[in-house]
Amino acid sequence: AQSVSQHNHHVILSEAASLELGCNYSYGGTVNLFWYVQYPGQHLQLLLKYFSGDPLVKGIKGFEAEFIKSKFSFNLRKPSVQWSDTAEYFCAVNHFGNEKLTFGTGTRLTIIP
Amino acid sequence: DTEVTQTPKHLVMGMTNKKSLKCEQHMGHRAMYWYKQKAKKPPELMFVYSYEKLSINESVPSRFSPECPNSSLLNLHLHALQPEDSALYLCASSQGGVQPQHFGDGTRLSIL
Repeated sequence: AQSVSQHNHHVILSEAASLELGCNYSYGGTVNLFWYVQYPGQHLQLLLKYFSGDPLVKGIKGFEAEFIKSKFSFNLRKPSVQWSDTAEYFCAVNHFGNEKLTFGTGTRLTIIP
Repeated sequence: DTEVTQTPKHLVMGMTNKKSLKCEQHMGHRAMYWYKQKAKKPPELMFVYSYEKLSINESVPSRFSPECPNSSLLNLHLHALQPEDSALYLCASSQGGVQPQHFGDGTRLSIL
């Protein structure tokens, strides 16, 4: 069974700092990768996705992520965070032909004004 | 606002009650999902419906009974739940396969 690891459980940054959240997965085959964000009291929203092609994908709100197949990683980045980025961030993975989406444990991001 | 609508937003029920959670989407998505999310934990998949047929059941106890009356609606029937079933129940829909899922706001369920 595939698993997804997010080693950063809680990250605290000041506004304008750069962000990188780690995500590693265990499945060795073809995977599809997602980052979702859950703002306080709101529903899960898709930030970005990777299916194939350019391993550097850009999402909404200035976020991007890089797929590094050799490292089984899909880290999320943002060059300059804002207070409004305070939220819970989940990495998720499914693999070809399987509708089951496996989520990582999540990273809580707190931005200090 | 999300395009996946869940009702009710909050539900408190006793262990002997029978209640239902409802989910509706009008995006023409062919796959619909139920997840359970405990506080400070990731969503855990419970059921997947594809073309109105149950395609995945993640060994969920029979006190949870899903139903998909049509391609836009998904219900979760609850009976004889336990206190540990208290959680946020999320519905999602997608075009199917590996396409991104769109989530509802969830129903926060409390079992007394």
